[in-house]
Amino acid sequence: ILNVEQSPQSLHVQEGDSTNFTCSFPSSNFYALHWYRWETAKSPEALFVMTLNGDEKKKGRISATLNTKEGYSYLYIKGSQPEDSATYLCAFRSGATNKLIFGTGTLLAVQP
Amino acid sequence: DSGVTQTPKHLITATGQRVTLRCSPRSGDLSVYWYQQSLDQGLQFLIQYYNGEERAKGNILERFSAQQFPDLHSELNLSSLELGDSALYFCASSVVGTGNEQFFGPGTRLTVL
Repeated sequence: ILNVEQSPQSLHVQEGDSTNFTCSFPSSNFYALHWYRWETAKSPEALFVMTLNGDEKKKGRISATLNTKEGYSYLYIKGSQPEDSATYLCAFRSGATNKLIFGTGTLLAVQP
Repeated sequence: DSGVTQTPKHLITATGQRVTLRCSPRSGDLSVYWYQQSLDQGLQFLIQYYNGEERAKGNILERFSAQQFPDLHSELNLSSLELGDSALYFCASSVVGTGNEQFFGPGTRLTVL
């Protein structure tokens, strides 16, 4: 059974704080790791798709790193803003299957 | 707006009934995915179609079935509905396969009474 775990489950920060959270996935037979941002009452929105060990991707104040050998990815948000409040999901695909296995997400609340 | 459309937005039905959820992918996307999000659970992958053919299957019950039509829209059929089938059902599409980012539709909220 492929397990994708995200930590922490939730995070409350103040506006302007930088924050990061973790996605852990099986280190064998890696194919791709996705990050999605999911705001309440909306649908998940793709942030990054990462495929190479050591990959670093950036979109504005949000960036992500990938370590396929040890099976983790970090998502960083620099200078959090209230509009960053959302659930951040990661999803893993192994080379053996076409399925994306989603973690349960990290709920970020940024207080003004 | 992701470009993926889903209908209906809400559906309320009774146990034992059958419903059909519809999804139109983004223009040019060949792959369609169906996900279920139940209360207190993460997104659960149900099934993927690529250019009309089933490509991958997840935790999809035998009472559920799906298909992708020649115009690439997809339908998810849920039959003999049970209370536990109440959930948010998302459709997503991507250009090719799961190495590509997926674009999610707004979802269909199904309530089984």
